[in-house]
Amino acid sequence: KQEVTQIPAALSVPEGENLVLNCSFTDSAIYNLQWFRQDPGKGLTSLLLIQSSQREQTSGRLNASLDKSSGRSTLYIAASQPGDSATYLCAGGTSYGKLTFGQGTILTVHP
Amino acid sequence: EAGVAQSPRYKIIEKRQSVAFWCNPISGHATLYWYQQILGQGPKLLIQFQNNGVVDDSQLPKDRFSAERLKGVDSTLKIQPAKLEDSAVYLCASNRDSQETQYFGPGTRLLVL
Repeated sequence: KQEVTQIPAALSVPEGENLVLNCSFTDSAIYNLQWFRQDPGKGLTSLLLIQSSQREQTSGRLNASLDKSSGRSTLYIAASQPGDSATYLCAGGTSYGKLTFGQGTILTVHP
Repeated sequence: EAGVAQSPRYKIIEKRQSVAFWCNPISGHATLYWYQQILGQGPKLLIQFQNNGVVDDSQLPKDRFSAERLKGVDSTLKIQPAKLEDSAVYLCASNRDSQETQYFGPGTRLLVL
């Protein structure tokens, strides 16, 4: 059974800082690893999807890495902005689409 | 392209009452998912449909929860009877292929008193 853990549970940083969010998973037979963003009272928005054969994915100021052997993924956010404030969730995916989510990291970027 | 639609957005009921949630996925998306997200936790998959067939319902409390997707398009999730611990946000998601990224609706926030 896949279990996903995210550290830290909450993070507060000043605007402009580079930051790293961590995600660990127990089952290395992961099909893909996905990062989502959730704004208060809203659904989830997909940020990055890394296939098991890939090491990293980039989109704008976001970079996500995947290390299956150690059971870890990181989300790197460069030059953080107040608009980046949200809850960030990682999820391990199976080949048939089932996602197992971590509990999320609440990010606050203050001006 | 319209996103995943869900209704109602909010629902307050008393324990032992029944409630139903509706989801309309993005047009052309064959796979539909229902998740339960309790406050402070990540979403937990309740049931996954491929067209109108069930792929995974291993975490659905079948004594009180039921879901259907009769025509392979929109879907309904029902709770009967509701318990206090069912208070959560119920999220619907869809994708064209189960291996692609999932698109989420805004969710239905349920409060059971």
